[in-house]
Amino acid sequence: NAGVTQTPKFRILKIGQSMTLQCTQDMNHNYMYWYRQDPGMGLKLIYYSVGAGITDKGEVPNGYNVSRSTTEDFPLRLELAAPSQTSVYFCASSYSQASGYTFGSGTRLTVV
Amino acid sequence: GESVGLHLPTLSVQEGDNSIINCAYSNSASDYFIWYKQESGKGPQFIIDIRSNMDKRQGQRVTVLLNKTVKHLSLQIAATQPGDSAVYFCAEIPTGANSKLTFGKGITLSVRP
Repeated sequence: NAGVTQTPKFRILKIGQSMTLQCTQDMNHNYMYWYRQDPGMGLKLIYYSVGAGITDKGEVPNGYNVSRSTTEDFPLRLELAAPSQTSVYFCASSYSQASGYTFGSGTRLTVV
Repeated sequence: GESVGLHLPTLSVQEGDNSIINCAYSNSASDYFIWYKQESGKGPQFIIDIRSNMDKRQGQRVTVLLNKTVKHLSLQIAATQPGDSAVYFCAEIPTGANSKLTFGKGITLSVRP
């Protein structure tokens, strides 16, 4: 049972480039989330999904997009990378709205 | 043991001592609380949770206390070990539709051998 899997683990982007951070879970969780974590800080919610075909903005959605075509996958898209998007990105999933979240191991992104 | 609020980012304890990590939450509508542990280079890992109809919950070497009157949550770690060194986050979920987990800033726990 892999849990939540994120790829890639590390990436360096140039300003203006685009990329997709992949996230997949094998626990059949309906709820999935994307967080970013800046150095020495807590996690801030970017986007979330309560089920396939449904997504919604979190606290810091600007500069990102998501899609949820299947229960398993929840990719995060950066269209025009900016230095402010340098961060560690965590994907998570949960069985229900009020249950513990399972996190992936993160993607460390640097925009130069 | 020693205790510290979230406004002090680092807690240093002697191996074998008890650790107490405190968290003040602001949303009185929150009814589910979780403590996460994050080791360097890894994602947050669930430690223990508590719902608002309880004031104490115990796990293996960990205890979470909830005081709704003063909106205070604490994590107690018994006989702290070097493997407990990590950043600890409290998180809360309010009642209501579409509520999501909101994280505090985190505290670094450093265990001295």
